Amino acid sequence: EAGVTQFPSHSVIEKGQTVTLRCDPISGHDNLYWYRRVMGKEIKFLLHFVKESKQDESGMPNNRFLAERTGGTYSTLKVQPAELEDSGVYFCASSHRQGASYEQYFGPGTRLTVT
Amino acid sequence: RKEVEQDPGPFNVPEGATVAFNCTYSNSASQSFFWYRQDCRKEPKLLMSVYSSGNEDGRFTAQLNRASQYISLLIRDSKLSDSATYLCVVSGISGAGSYQLTFGKGTKLSVIP
Repeated sequence: EAGVTQFPSHSVIEKGQTVTLRCDPISGHDNLYWYRRVMGKEIKFLLHFVKESKQDESGMPNNRFLAERTGGTYSTLKVQPAELEDSGVYFCASSHRQGASYEQYFGPGTRLTVT
Repeated sequence: RKEVEQDPGPFNVPEGATVAFNCTYSNSASQSFFWYRQDCRKEPKLLMSVYSSGNEDGRFTAQLNRASQYISLLIRDSKLSDSATYLCVVSGISGAGSYQLTFGKGTKLSVIP
């Protein structure tokens, strides 16, 4: 079974540019999560999709971040315009069911550097 | 106060040593508890879930004390391959009805030959 995949693995952009990150969850997983780790900080929750619907986007930093999951399959996270503080590693995770005890499987992450 | 606090580390231990990690969490409504392992520049991977009764998986033993809001992980007979960052993670339902994971900053373990 293929795991969670993310693209690109690395992205270096200039402040003010736009970047779109993609996540393909494990096939059949309705729940898709985005997390972010900023350097020196802990991994933090950004948002949660159930199929194509946003269940919880309380962790999104501001309106420069837009996440979509059209069709309930893969998801994109767009940052526009990017700021220096957006640099970090963006992880996507998926789970088959929703619940505190269900394992979330993480993708390898996208390392974003804004210069 | 951080939601999940861990030992600052790093821990540098010789092969064969026993090492213990501690973690406290602030949200008493947290429902599930985990230890994740993260290798350098890799994704976090679930090491084990943690239960109040305590649970063991080979050389790894995890314990949860809900009254003290304290979680521990014990690694016996450390191997070189245990070198990684260990993340204490809790899960509970958010106000929006989502089961999001809340992570500690992690404790780095280096097992030395």
